[in-house]
Amino acid sequence: AQSVTQLGSHVSVSEGALVLLRCNYSSSVPPYLFWYVQYPNQGLQLLLKYTTGATLVKGINGFEAEFKKSETSFHLTKPSAHMSDAAEYFCAVSDRAAGFQKLVFGTGTRLLVSP
Amino acid sequence: SQTIHQWPATLVQPVGSPLSLECTVEGTSNPNLYWYRQAAGRGLQLLFYSVGIGQISSEVPQNLSASRPQDRQFILSSKKLLLSDSGFYLCAWSPQWSSYNEQFFGPGTRLTVL
Repeated sequence: AQSVTQLGSHVSVSEGALVLLRCNYSSSVPPYLFWYVQYPNQGLQLLLKYTTGATLVKGINGFEAEFKKSETSFHLTKPSAHMSDAAEYFCAVSDRAAGFQKLVFGTGTRLLVSP
Repeated sequence: SQTIHQWPATLVQPVGSPLSLECTVEGTSNPNLYWYRQAAGRGLQLLFYSVGIGQISSEVPQNLSASRPQDRQFILSSKKLLLSDSGFYLCAWSPQWSSYNEQFFGPGTRLTVL
């Protein structure tokens, strides 16, 4: 069965500092991987996804993530944090199996950005 | 382009009262539809999903139910609300034709049961 582990329920950074949010997955087949962002009292918005091809994936708002099969990881990074990045971030995995597939979400990491 | 709507945006209901939350999707046909709940300080819990009209799969036993009366309409209901039903309810859709199962979320409904 698939699973996702997000290390750290809260991550605090200063404005302008590197953002690193960790995600490790477990999947019996090569996965599809996603990062979503949720601002307070809003729905989830897709930041980026890995499906196939290049393992470094660029998303919106300056975020990127790298799929590392050997480490079963899909960590989210941004070189310089902005106050507007403060939100909750969810990693998710879906199997490359035929037919209907569900997304399995991690428990989320809240990013706090201080001035 | 596709859009997803949820209403109401917020709802305060007494324990034991009924519930009906509605979700509609525009700009696509035959989507997969999902209901999630976020309790305070917790992650996303998948409640129901639907791959077609009248086809509902339940993920967890509870006093909630879901229906899909039309292709792009998904309704979450309860006959009698419990305090534990409080939370943020999210509807999502994914394209039937996509193998990625990338999901797109609505704005959510904040439900408070008193």
